[in-house]
Amino acid sequence: LAKTTQPISMDSYEGQEVNITCSHNNIATNDYITWYQQFPSQGPRFIIQGYKTKVTNEVASLFIPADRKSSTLSLPRVSLSDTAVYYCLVGDMRDTGRRALTFGSGTRLQVQP
Amino acid sequence: DTGVSQDPRHKITKRGQNVTFRCDPISEHNRLYWYRQTLGQGPEFLTYFQNEAQLEKSRLLSDRFSAERPKGSFSTLEIQRTEQGDSAMYLCASSPQGGFNTEAFFGQGTRLTVV
Repeated sequence: LAKTTQPISMDSYEGQEVNITCSHNNIATNDYITWYQQFPSQGPRFIIQGYKTKVTNEVASLFIPADRKSSTLSLPRVSLSDTAVYYCLVGDMRDTGRRALTFGSGTRLQVQP
Repeated sequence: DTGVSQDPRHKITKRGQNVTFRCDPISEHNRLYWYRQTLGQGPEFLTYFQNEAQLEKSRLLSDRFSAERPKGSFSTLEIQRTEQGDSAMYLCASSPQGGFNTEAFFGQGTRLTVV
């Protein structure tokens, strides 16, 4: 399993763009990068998934450089409701069980008014 | 609501008692996962089902823990002789069948407090 490293916490203000970077130096060829969001007392919620270059959906963008040893989750114009813990996961989409969803400690994002 | 449902949402029990949690996955989702999460930590994998077959168990799942998924639909997680260290949020997730994994959908969890 590729190990991921994220900042423990980040602070931002409403309206700003937030970029959370995840390092995964030993990512394998078949590994995908997935980000989840978790609010207190709730289960994690899928945000975005990608393999290379850039992926964008209605919630966020995911930037993956050519070497794929890191990835950056970009949240445009955050609001107070984006205050949550964000998890970066790396795994082979063909895997199941534990290999499919291995969470680290995540990045705690605090958005201030 | 067609999401993953967990029951109960909260459970307080005395040390030594047995507890059972239930998870109803999204209909037709073949894969079902159980996780445990303690304060300030990410979810830790406990076990995984493909339909009714329990295909993987973490070493975290001691002999006091047992999970079932009869008929490949809902699942139960039982903890026998609870200990204070079992206090945590227990999360269930499901994902659809496919050659490749897709996103997993989590329930809101069951918070267990052992006193």
